[in-house]
Amino acid sequence: DAGVTQSPTHLIKTRGQQVTLRCSPKSGHDTVSWYQQALGQGPQFIFQYYEEEERQRGNFPDRFSGHQFPNYSSELNVNALLLGDSALYLCASSLGAGWGNQPQHFGDGTRLSIL
Amino acid sequence: DAKTTQPNSMESNEEEPVHLPCNHSTISGTDYIHWYRQLPSQGPEYVIHGLTSNVNNRMASLAIAEDRKSSTLILHRATLRDAAVYYCIPSPWETSGSRLTFGEGTQLTVNP
Repeated sequence: DAGVTQSPTHLIKTRGQQVTLRCSPKSGHDTVSWYQQALGQGPQFIFQYYEEEERQRGNFPDRFSGHQFPNYSSELNVNALLLGDSALYLCASSLGAGWGNQPQHFGDGTRLSIL
Repeated sequence: DAKTTQPNSMESNEEEPVHLPCNHSTISGTDYIHWYRQLPSQGPEYVIHGLTSNVNNRMASLAIAEDRKSSTLILHRATLRDAAVYYCIPSPWETSGSRLTFGEGTQLTVNP
């Protein structure tokens, strides 16, 4: 049973560039959430996608956007990269928009470094 | 979201029990208490969750205080693989599967 997979595992970009990160949810899951984890801190919720729509959003600027595809996979896009965007980006999947108190399953993340 | 207080770090010896405390005095009556852990270079991993009564699963036990203002995650026999950051996360039933508010957690060190 495949778990949550993310690609790429590492990425280096420069300020001002744009980046796209990808996530495939655990088999059977239809909801994807994205988190940002700065070094030494806990993950921070960015947004959640369900039925190809953004359902919830955390306190992140519009430079952060996403997409969910009919096969439930998802992309996170970040425009106009800043040095402060350097972080581990985590994808988590669950079933049914997260209702019903179900655990989230996380991937191992994409490490994004901004030079 | 309810605020949580956890020790920054704790240390244990291999094969001994570990009790990881969490204070969540502002928890609401409908918030579940979730525990996740994050091993080095990995994403967070679900451990256990509960509402009012104590809970057990293959990984751990969760003891919840009667007033629900605190809880304790119990690892019955720590192994080296249990070395991780442990997060206590109160979360509403309606959204706990979709939006988790992580604090800084407790870094658990397990000595051989």
